[in-house]
Amino acid sequence: QSVLTQPPSVSAAPGQKVTISCSGSSSNIGNNYVSWYQQLPGTAPKLLIYDNNKRPSGIPDRFSGSTSGTSATLGITGLQTGDEADYYCGTWDVSLSAGQGVFGGGTKLTVL
Amino acid sequence: EVQLLESGGGLVQPGGSLRLSCAASGFTFNNYAMSWVRQAPGKGLEWVSGISGSGGSTYYADSVKGRFTISRDNSKNTLNLQMNSLRAEDTAVYFCAKAKDYIWGAIDYWGQGTLVTVSS
Repeated sequence: QSVLTQPPSVSAAPGQKVTISCSGSSSNIGNNYVSWYQQLPGTAPKLLIYDNNKRPSGIPDRFSGSTSGTSATLGITGLQTGDEADYYCGTWDVSLSAGQGVFGGGTKLTVL
Repeated sequence: EVQLLESGGGLVQPGGSLRLSCAASGFTFNNYAMSWVRQAPGKGLEWVSGISGSGGSTYYADSVKGRFTISRDNSKNTLNLQMNSLRAEDTAVYFCAKAKDYIWGAIDYWGQGTLVTVSS
């Protein structure tokens, strides 16, 4: 049972837009920045979004992030077959001792 | 170019110990917090432990507290994870990870991972 809640799967057609939600609480998303990661099969995760809505260099602006209260959302526009991957949200949780990193359970994106 | 290379994974019996290491290069190691993140077969990411750039502050997931110890040697650009009292549920690929700015912030680089299997 992950501290952050994501839908297990989402799907959309090529060229369309999809959003992935990440629900937390006041001790994590409500109190710290959220980051998003893409994990292609058999590879290490890759940073897509940091500090809620910032993109590292090299990440296309098709990827966007936002937060509202204790929830975060990853948006992907202009879907491509290469976007098929698992997506994870992550943040820091301050309810547990000195703090701990936490991730969502992951969302599998299928591009139909 | 940032590189993180994990080593030390393998097969260990329940109750046993294992020490993972991560050799870092391509950045000023002691300026950045580091973490270990694991992924059980077919499962999602689980944050395991983190350490500040100086090594003076350490953090642990409840699931490993008291059994795992994170450390770093800034003179050798190496991150370590000492794992004791291993359980079957510790079986996972363990990733070495670099914090982008702060321990509570994003992870901007990941190693390729090393597999730890706990089984009799």
